[in-house]
Amino acid sequence: DIQMTQSPSSLSASVGDRVTITCRASQGISNSLAWYQQKPGKAPKLLLYAASRLASGVPSRFSGSGSGTDCTLTISSLQPEDFATYYCQQYYSTLALTFGGGTKVEIK
Amino acid sequence: QVQLQESGPGLVKPSETLSLTCAVSGYSISSAYYWGWLRQPPGKGLEWIGNIYHSGNTCYNPSLKSRVTISVDTSKNQFSLKLSSVTAADTAVYYCARHSRPAGYSSGWTVDYWGQGTLVTVSS
Repeated sequence: DIQMTQSPSSLSASVGDRVTITCRASQGISNSLAWYQQKPGKAPKLLLYAASRLASGVPSRFSGSGSGTDCTLTISSLQPEDFATYYCQQYYSTLALTFGGGTKVEIK
Repeated sequence: QVQLQESGPGLVKPSETLSLTCAVSGYSISSAYYWGWLRQPPGKGLEWIGNIYHSGNTCYNPSLKSRVTISVDTSKNQFSLKLSSVTAADTAVYYCARHSRPAGYSSGWTVDYWGQGTLVTVSS
């Protein structure tokens, strides 16, 4: 399996802050990476795919970059509704989809 | 609007088989896409279980493959999960979901529609 490691595991930030989350793969995955947002008690929501392409309806303050083993998710100006847990997911492997451990974004 | 809804027992005894069904509305599963299952133990991260195409072609997580069966019933527009020989480690929220292959990619999937999830507890 391709292992996905997210950092940090949690962070505290204020409304309006710029937030960056990193996802590292145990081997190269090209840009076969997606990001999800999950709020408590809810199913995850797809934010980005192909490392940098926004899913339908996702605000432009979310952006992604990277390729190979390292990708990042950036929220340019954190909004109250963005406090949630974020997961990366690789889809490079044909054997199994795998997720990072999650990054919880909390209010400072 | 595509909607998915899980159903099944919320409590399963150890060593027994967990069975869940996902009813899909707003889209015919015979048309396209893969349909599958993921799970999330309480307070933990996401684990992919596997998926199925309407033709019956399946793909399973190797770590669960020996215990998992996913099947599809196109006449009812639903698909199902069976996980055998369960233990407490299988306690989780189980999500059914639509798997989508991003444009330009020849393999792999993202998950673009999810059910609300159902908690299954394994306990005697």
